[in-house]
Amino acid sequence: DTEVTQTPKHLVMGMTNKKSLKCEQHMGHRAMYWYKQKAKKPPELMFVYSYEKLSINESVPSRFSPECPNSSLLNLHLHALQPEDSALYLCASSQYNEQFFGPGTRLTVL
Amino acid sequence: KQEVTQIPAALSVPEGENLVLNCSFTDSAIYNLQWFRQDPGKGLTSLLLIQSSQREQTSGRLNASLDKSSGRSTLYIAASQPGDSATYLCAVRFTRGSTLGRLYFGRGTQLTVWP
Repeated sequence: DTEVTQTPKHLVMGMTNKKSLKCEQHMGHRAMYWYKQKAKKPPELMFVYSYEKLSINESVPSRFSPECPNSSLLNLHLHALQPEDSALYLCASSQYNEQFFGPGTRLTVL
Repeated sequence: KQEVTQIPAALSVPEGENLVLNCSFTDSAIYNLQWFRQDPGKGLTSLLLIQSSQREQTSGRLNASLDKSSGRSTLYIAASQPGDSATYLCAVRFTRGSTLGRLYFGRGTQLTVWP
C-alpha cells in the first residue's frame, strides 16, 4: 500500500473560521510533509515532521499550525487565513527515499 | 544555491510521438532524483525514482536517465498517448541542504498529447 490519504478534498472557509486538514499514511514512513501549491507553480515546502517531531518550519505564518498526533497522522490547523492562502495543500510521506504524495485539499479562503 | 530547471515549460505533440523532457540541477552532489506526474488540481504521482548510484530507471513506456556530472536528467516517453497529457515535475534531493528528504522542484513541463 503506497497511499497517502487527505481529507477533505475541498474546503471553503471565511477569514474568521477555524478548520483542519488531515493526512494519513500506513506505510510506516517516519517523515511527513506539508506543501502548498499555487496554480502553475511547483509545490512549496511548509513543514517537515520526523519521528513525530517538527523538524522544519519554512517560516510559515502562525495562522498555519501543524500537528502530528502519531506516526500515521498529520494535521494542519487553519485559523484567520487570508484570501492569498487559497491553494492546493499537499501532504507527503517518505522513509528517506521515494516521497509519496496525497491527492491534496483544495482550499478557498473567502 | 540548489536549483532545478525544467525545459521546455510546455510541449504539444501528436499522439504516437516519442518525446524527451529535460531536467537540470545546479549541484551534482545529489542523493536521488524523482519524476512526478500531476494532473490538473490533483496530487503528485511518483513515476520514477533514480538513486545517485544509478544511470537510469524504466517503467513501461517511461525511461529516466541521470547524468550527475553534467547535472542532467531526462524523462523519455515512448509512443505518447492523449492520456499522458499532464504536468511532469522533476524533484531533486541534494546531499547538501536536503535534510529530512527535502526535495527541490523544477517548475514542470506541461505536456499535451493530441489525437
